[in-house]
Amino acid sequence: GESVGLHLPTLSVQEGDNSIINCAYSNSASDYFIWYKQESGKGPQFIIDIRSNMDKRQGQRVTVLLNKTVKHLSLQIAATQPGDSAVYFCAVTGFQKLVFGTGTRLLVSP
Amino acid sequence: DAGVIQSPRHEVTEMGQEVTLRCKPISGHNSLFWYRQTMMRGLELLIYFNNNVPIDDSGMPEDRFSAKMPNASFSTLKIQPSEPRDSAVYFCASSLVVTGANVLTFGAGSRLTVL
Repeated sequence: GESVGLHLPTLSVQEGDNSIINCAYSNSASDYFIWYKQESGKGPQFIIDIRSNMDKRQGQRVTVLLNKTVKHLSLQIAATQPGDSAVYFCAVTGFQKLVFGTGTRLLVSP
Repeated sequence: DAGVIQSPRHEVTEMGQEVTLRCKPISGHNSLFWYRQTMMRGLELLIYFNNNVPIDDSGMPEDRFSAKMPNASFSTLKIQPSEPRDSAVYFCASSLVVTGANVLTFGAGSRLTVL
């Protein structure tokens, strides 16, 4: 089965810095990847996704990089703001069934 | 759209009692998922439905758990009898599945405490 891991349980950054959250996955057949953000007391919220035929995708202040060779996924947040403080999950799917990583808590200090 | 609506938001019950969690998915979505979240195990997929039909229930912990989706706008997750180890936040999510892409929209969750 799919397993998804994260390199760091907690990431602390200063406001204005860039943040990088990493994720490793095990199934080389995985073809769709999503990053979710979960704030306290809320459900996970979609941030950005990427298909396996892409290496990079950019959104507003966020960039997802996919390295299929080493089965690694990263989320980059530019100019991190206090409102970015949350737990970030990567999720991997082949079709329909999403497997979530354990999450990285991002702490943003002023 | 009001998003995925779950009820109750919080439930405290005693061991042995029946618990029913409810979910209204986003109108037009054709897939519905039940997840459980705990500190120890993270987000675990319990079961998912496609067009109201259960597709994969391999994540359901044991026979005490059951889920139904009688129509496209309603689903329930039932635990009977409940045990303290069932304490968790239960999320319902829905999606409109397109080829190779499945973006789930989550509800706010139901926090269950079994004493």
